[in-house]
Amino acid sequence: ETGVTQSPTHLIKTRGQQVTLRCSSQSGHNTVSWYQQALGQGPQFIFQYYREEENGRGNFPPRFSGLQFPNYSSELNVNALELDDSALYLCASSLGVGQAYEQYFGPGTRLTVT
Amino acid sequence: GNSVTQMEGPVTLSEEAFLTINCTYTATGYPSLFWYVQYPGEGLQLLLKATKADDKGSNKGFEATYRKETTSFHLEKGSVQVSDSAVYFCALRSNDYKLSFGAGTTVTVRA
Repeated sequence: ETGVTQSPTHLIKTRGQQVTLRCSSQSGHNTVSWYQQALGQGPQFIFQYYREEENGRGNFPPRFSGLQFPNYSSELNVNALELDDSALYLCASSLGVGQAYEQYFGPGTRLTVT
Repeated sequence: GNSVTQMEGPVTLSEEAFLTINCTYTATGYPSLFWYVQYPGEGLQLLLKATKADDKGSNKGFEATYRKETTSFHLEKGSVQVSDSAVYFCALRSNDYKLSFGAGTTVTVRA
């Protein structure tokens, strides 16, 4: 069984640019959550997608947006990059929404904004 | 809202020492509680969890007990190894869809 995968592993962008990060969920999982982990901090919830619809959102501005595809893979898009967007972006998939479903994390994408 | 407060690090121990990392929480409803571990350069791995009061989660020699009266979920291990060096995160999940994490505690175990 393949776990959660993310691409790319690392990338470097310039302030003002746009970036797309990708996540392939674990087989059979229909829910994907995205988290931002700044250096030395715990992950912060960005949003969650369930069956291609946004199911909940954390305290992030609209320039953070996402998509979920029919195969349940997902993208995180960030427009107008700022220096503070530099972080590890983690994707987690689960069998469903709600407290009962464990979230399985991918290895993350390290984004550096210069 | 939900929040998690965990012991600040870094924590440096010798091999075979006893490890405790304190974690307290504030939450609405009846949260599930988790400890995640992050090894250098890797993502998060679930270490253990507890879903109701007085439950004890355990894995790989680590234990934590869900204490509703003190709103705590302290992580313990009786004899740490060099391979336990990592960042440990306490987290909770309540009636909503997201995990709320503490700031993390870096643990370094010396041989």
